[in-house]
Amino acid sequence: EDQVTQSPEALRLQEGESSSLNCSYTVSGLRGLFWYRQDPGKGPEFLFTLYSAGEEKEKERLKATLTKKESFLHITAPKPEDSATYLCAVQAVGNQFYFGTGTSLTVIP
Amino acid sequence: DAGVTQSPTHLIKTRGQQVTLRCSPKSGHDTVSWYQQALGQGPQFIFQYYEEEERQRGNFPDRFSGHQFPNYSSELNVNALLLGDSALYLCASSFDRGSSPLHFGNGTRLTVT
Repeated sequence: EDQVTQSPEALRLQEGESSSLNCSYTVSGLRGLFWYRQDPGKGPEFLFTLYSAGEEKEKERLKATLTKKESFLHITAPKPEDSATYLCAVQAVGNQFYFGTGTSLTVIP
Repeated sequence: DAGVTQSPTHLIKTRGQQVTLRCSPKSGHDTVSWYQQALGQGPQFIFQYYEEEERQRGNFPDRFSGHQFPNYSSELNVNALLLGDSALYLCASSFDRGSSPLHFGNGTRLTVT
């Protein structure tokens, strides 16, 4: 069964304290792994797509990496404005997207 | 360039009623998907429309139905509303080629009382 698990559920960081969010997946034929940011009351905002193991993408303080079984979203020197829920999704061969339950990140000034 | 737009933003309905939610996709996108997001959960796939036909469906009952129009816009209809249908309903659009990311609207918050 196709499944996406994110950890931790919640993470509190001091401003400037780097950390990583994990997304592990089980899917029959990965077409792509996607990271989204979701602010309260808003729709998810697309961040990155990763297609194959070893691939990395960066945007400002965020860096996403992919292995055959999991992806990490590394946050370097976070700022309060990085506070949000980060969602991971995988696209299987049937084109359907499966989402994890997200990691709620709070960055304290 | 307008992104995905959804209407209304909020809606309150009574159990047993019917509701219609609307979505206009991002310019150039031809595929529309609908998701239900309960509080504290990830989005759950309802169904996807392409070329005005339902192409894929998630594990949702027939009370959930939809439509896609020639201009690619879409509607989600829910009949016989239950309290458990209260959620944020998200519309996402994408290109139907390769592995194209979903682009989401800000959703419709449905409350069933």
